[in-house]
Amino acid sequence: TQLLEQSPQFLSIQEGENLTVYCNSSSVFSSLQWYRQEPGEGPVLLVTVVTGGEVKKLKRLTFQFGDARKDSSLHITAAQPGDTGLYLCAGDSGGFKTIFGAGTRLFVKA
Amino acid sequence: AAGVIQSPRHLIKEKRETATLKCYPIPRHDTVYWYQQGPGQDPQFLISFYEKMQSDKGSIPDRFSAQQFSDYHSELNMSSLELGDSALYFCASSLRVSGANVLTFGAGSRLTVL
Repeated sequence: TQLLEQSPQFLSIQEGENLTVYCNSSSVFSSLQWYRQEPGEGPVLLVTVVTGGEVKKLKRLTFQFGDARKDSSLHITAAQPGDTGLYLCAGDSGGFKTIFGAGTRLFVKA
Repeated sequence: AAGVIQSPRHLIKEKRETATLKCYPIPRHDTVYWYQQGPGQDPQFLISFYEKMQSDKGSIPDRFSAQQFSDYHSELNMSSLELGDSALYFCASSLRVSGANVLTFGAGSRLTVL
């Protein structure tokens, strides 16, 4: 059974601080996505990483895919209250089933 | 741009009743997925369809069934509802291209079983 372990599960920080969320697995994924979800809404795609070692930047967010394509990280620089939400990593093994990590609930205090 | 449309957005049922959720994927997307998300939990994969054929199955109870129709919309049928079935049910669609399979999610259907 493929599992995606996400850490930390909960993070409460002050505005302006930096943070990193980790997503780890013993399985290899053909691609990995990061989503952000607001309460009562569906997850919204932030980024897709495909190549081992790939780094993608989206404004203050930096995403990295591990060389072996088993893990990924999301780094947020100078967090803002608008970054508050549930961050989910999701792995695609090339089949028809994308699995999700347990999520990291981020709260940024003004 | 058209998104994934789910209906109804909210549904309240009694125990042992039946519920049907509908999903209209993004036009030309060839794969539909159903996920169940309980309070404070991550989305759990239930089932997927590729070109109207069941393509993969996850933790979907035997009381649930799903299908994709000729117009590509999909329905999730839930029978003998239990209190534990109360959750957000998300449908997602994707167009399988080489390199990545990116899901676009609907806004979800919130099912409450009383």
